[in-house]
Amino acid sequence: AQSVTQPDIHITVSEGASLELRCNYSYGATPYLFWYVQSPGQGLQLLLKYFSGDTLVQGIKGFEAEFKRSQSSFNLRKPSVHWSDAAEYFCAVGPPSYNTDKLIFGTGTRLQVFP
Amino acid sequence: DAMVIQNPRYQVTQFGKPVTLSCSQTLNHNVMYWYQQKSSQAPKLLFHYYDKDFNNEADTPDNFQSRRPNTSFCFLDIRSPGLGDAAMYLCATSRARGGGLNEQFFGPGTRLTVL
Repeated sequence: AQSVTQPDIHITVSEGASLELRCNYSYGATPYLFWYVQSPGQGLQLLLKYFSGDTLVQGIKGFEAEFKRSQSSFNLRKPSVHWSDAAEYFCAVGPPSYNTDKLIFGTGTRLQVFP
Repeated sequence: DAMVIQNPRYQVTQFGKPVTLSCSQTLNHNVMYWYQQKSSQAPKLLFHYYDKDFNNEADTPDNFQSRRPNTSFCFLDIRSPGLGDAAMYLCATSRARGGGLNEQFFGPGTRLTVL
């Protein structure tokens, strides 16, 4: 079955520290991969996406993610976290099909940033 | 700015009293989605419209209905809300269906409380 796993429910880091949020997927083929961020009480904003090509993807707000096919992973990274990065982060996969845009979301990782 | 707008942002209803949530978009996108997101959970797709073509998810309860009178507007109707329907409801749009190639743009959500 298709699924997305975000193993870390809650992560706490100090401002200025580096960050890595983990995402693993289970899919029959290489899916399209996304990271979204959700601030409290807000909708989801796309940080970055991977479709093909270079496995290191740059996104907004200084985030990047690396696709590793052998590990079925798409981990999100940021070298130096800012207090404004505190939010919920969702990894999502989309099928490599032209009939649907259905996204499957992971359960999210809540990021807390200490000054 | 082109965007996805949801009204109201907060909605309180009584158990069993029908309620309608509204979504509008200025992006002129063909596809509109409704997601349900319960506390600390991933968004769950309820249904989507590809133009006027309605696509219901298999596990969406009959209590949830949707209307799309034109390209810009889409409504979520909950015929008889139960306590379990209290959640954040997210509307999203995408330009077309394209195997995940089309980014989904999310509105800020409507938080529904059922008393």
